[in-house]
Amino acid sequence: ETGVTQTPRHLVMGMTNKKSLKCEQHLGHNAMYWYKQSAKKPLELMFVYSLEERVENNSVPSRFSPECPNSSHLFLHLHTLQPEDSALYLCASSTWTGGGYEQYFGPGTRLTVT
Amino acid sequence: DQQVKQNSPSLSVQEGRISILNCDYTNSMFDYFLWYKKYPAEGPTFLISISSIKDKNEDGRFTVFLNKSAKHLSLHIVPSQPGDSAVYFCAAYSGGGADGLTFGKGTHLIIQP
Repeated sequence: ETGVTQTPRHLVMGMTNKKSLKCEQHLGHNAMYWYKQSAKKPLELMFVYSLEERVENNSVPSRFSPECPNSSHLFLHLHTLQPEDSALYLCASSTWTGGGYEQYFGPGTRLTVT
Repeated sequence: DQQVKQNSPSLSVQEGRISILNCDYTNSMFDYFLWYKKYPAEGPTFLISISSIKDKNEDGRFTVFLNKSAKHLSLHIVPSQPGDSAVYFCAAYSGGGADGLTFGKGTHLIIQP
């Protein structure tokens, strides 16, 4: 596999479920990101990890919990979500040089909360 | 308040002609700008970028122009091809901190045969 992969591609979950989104990058990058894209809104940055340490949390609700066990893998753990959390969740990676520069995106996970 | 604005939700251009997509920004700290292309059911694909120290960057059919004084950038595609039909996102970055990218809402480009 090459590039940035995300699983699952589609997820339907109830408000009381717990699920996780997975992202893997095969580009040798050392920074990874979670973005959210809701209908008719721009992509919104959720979390940034550089060298496996979280460097930014854009005031995201605690029902979203990221985990970055190594430079190639990134998870987004989901629990007690709300219907308004339904969106496309995109993972990206880049080489950290004090700046994000070109970020390369995965295909996204389309999440529906019922 | 949106810091990156793409005021045209859609744009229709005839095949072979020039497509011009526009983007405005408000944050004067932005010093790196990128364009992404997105097909349905796929993630955004990086197209071309420009640093704030330049006013033009060219890559094949794609050219990005930056006017810092006007806080405006544009993407020119010439000649436009049917495969260029997609949503184009403008994004900006401030290199001073651990920021991700700030995106515009996108412009849906439709290339007419």
